[in-house]
Amino acid sequence: DAGVTQSPTHLIKTRGQQVTLRCSPKSGHDTVSWYQQALGQGPQFIFQYYEEEERQRGNFPDRFSGHQFPNYSSELNVNALLLGDSALYLCASSLWVTPANSPLHFGNGTRLTVT
Amino acid sequence: SQQGEEDPQALSIQEGENATMNCSYKTSINNLQWYRQNSGRGLVHLILIRSNEREKHSGRLRVTLDTSKKSSSLLITASRAADTASYFCATGRGADGLTFGKGTHLIIQP
Repeated sequence: DAGVTQSPTHLIKTRGQQVTLRCSPKSGHDTVSWYQQALGQGPQFIFQYYEEEERQRGNFPDRFSGHQFPNYSSELNVNALLLGDSALYLCASSLWVTPANSPLHFGNGTRLTVT
Repeated sequence: SQQGEEDPQALSIQEGENATMNCSYKTSINNLQWYRQNSGRGLVHLILIRSNEREKHSGRLRVTLDTSKKSSSLLITASRAADTASYFCATGRGADGLTFGKGTHLIIQP
């Protein structure tokens, strides 16, 4: 039973560029959430997707956008990269219930470095 | 912003000892969850305690919740080297995404 998989594992980009991160949820899960974790901090909620729609969004600018596909996989896109976007980006999957009631299954993340 | 705040920020104990870490939060919650993160990897869910529960056990883990004080504690008994990790509490309310604290970094010395 495959868990949550993310690609790529590491990525180096230059300021102003755009990046796309990918996530496949755990088998049987239909909801995908994305989190940003800066060094030494806890994860911060970016947004959540269910039925190919963004359902909830945290306090992140419009430069952060996403997509969910019919097979429940998801992409996170970040435009006009800033140095402050350097972080570990975590994808988490769950069944469609309110996040507070459902344990999240996390992937190992994509380490993004912006130079 | 971080709702939960773990205390202490770092904890170093000998193998076999018990480890206790605390979490405080600010607003009302539905449930509280604890996660573990090994260095550079994803988070692993440990336990979920509902707002109407006061204590919950899972193996060597014991979690308490005091909604009147807006606080929770995680106790790991008989610690092992493999317990070395960062531990995060996470709170949620309604349909909002989970809010994580900054974590407690636990080091188990052999």
